[in-house]
Amino acid sequence: NAGVTQTPKFQVLKTGQSMTLQCAQDMNHNSMYWYRQDPGMGLRLIYYSASEGTTDKGEVPNGYNVSRLNKREFSLRLESAAPSQTSVYFCASTKGPLNTEAFFGQGTRLTVV
Amino acid sequence: RKEVEQDPGPFNVPEGATVAFNCTYSNSASQSFFWYRQDCRKEPKLLMSVYSSGNEDGRFTAQLNRASQYISLLIRDSKLSDSATYLCVPNQAGTALIFGKGTTLSVSS
Repeated sequence: NAGVTQTPKFQVLKTGQSMTLQCAQDMNHNSMYWYRQDPGMGLRLIYYSASEGTTDKGEVPNGYNVSRLNKREFSLRLESAAPSQTSVYFCASTKGPLNTEAFFGQGTRLTVV
Repeated sequence: RKEVEQDPGPFNVPEGATVAFNCTYSNSASQSFFWYRQDCRKEPKLLMSVYSSGNEDGRFTAQLNRASQYISLLIRDSKLSDSATYLCVPNQAGTALIFGKGTTLSVSS
């Protein structure tokens, strides 16, 4: 049982480049999330999807877009990467209506130079 | 007031010590509470869930004080392997999970 799978695990981008972080879960969960984690800042919510077909902004959505492609997949896109987006990105999913145990992917370490 | 506040630490304790962390939350409508553990450069993993006044699992005890809006995590007989960052997550049904910044624990021999 893979749980939550994120790709890629590592990425280096040049300023202005675009990329999409992929996330897939095989637990039939309804809700999915994208967080970023920076030293001393904890986990900050970028976007979330309560259910298939819906997405909502979190605490720090600027510079990002998301797509809930289907129930399994929730992608995060950086249209024009900036050094301030250097971070570790975590995808997570929960079974129920946003208030149950969250399962996390292993993270994507992104560096923008 | 921030939604979730935790003392960042670090808490440095010897093996065998008892240590407690507090987490205060601002949303009085929070119904469920979680403590997650995050090892360095790893993803967070659920440690304990609290839906009523508290929960106990071996050496770990979580206590909820709704009147004062805080939840605590007590670790007894600390082990080296307990060294990690502990994240608090109070949650209200229908809202996204907002994490505290975490409290770092370092257990030394």
